[in-house]
Amino acid sequence: AQTVTQSQPEMSVQEAETVTLSCTYDTSENNYYLFWYKQPPSRQMILVIRQEAYKQQNATENRFSVNFQKAAKSFSLKISDSQLGDTAMYFCAFANSNSGYALNFGKGTSLLVTP
Amino acid sequence: DGGITQSPKYLFRKEGQNVTLSCEQNLNHDAMYWYRQDPGQGLRLIYYSQIVNDFQKGDIAEGYSVSREKKESFPLTVTSAQKNPTAFYLCASSPTVVGNNEQFFGPGTRLTVL
Repeated sequence: AQTVTQSQPEMSVQEAETVTLSCTYDTSENNYYLFWYKQPPSRQMILVIRQEAYKQQNATENRFSVNFQKAAKSFSLKISDSQLGDTAMYFCAFANSNSGYALNFGKGTSLLVTP
Repeated sequence: DGGITQSPKYLFRKEGQNVTLSCEQNLNHDAMYWYRQDPGQGLRLIYYSQIVNDFQKGDIAEGYSVSREKKESFPLTVTSAQKNPTAFYLCASSPTVVGNNEQFFGPGTRLTVL
């Protein structure tokens, strides 16, 4: 079974600063996909960024980028120029064909952006 | 206005009762999923369906049942066999079962057992 571990239950960052959220996963599969989802206080789940395991290039989406280290099974999220609206729970998730590409989530990191 | 709707937003259940949570999507997505979220936990998979009239158990299917009679609908029934059903339930859909497709989530249903 695949497991996803987020070792930082809570983090805080000042507005305009950069923060990195950690995620490690365990799988014996070679083909899979990794995601970061954001859940603000409204509890609506929003996709932040995704990465295909077969791609060596790290994904970027505006202020969000990942550091994907396949051999180390690590998938960290970097948020640059943090904004107050980035305050949310962030979930790392894994998907592959074993379970119909359903998402396997970590327990989340609560990020607080302060003025 | 395309999207996923879940109803009701809040649901209260007495012990021993079955309740059904609604999930509807008008995105023409093939795959649909049900997740459960508890405080301090990530989301856990209950059931998923890749095609009409077919569905598979997830990690925590015991005490739950689903149906997929229509492409746009994937209701979840929480039965009396579910020992601790109080939780936040999220429904999601994706265009196909290919892994890189984004899953779109509904707004959730908060179920409380009285």
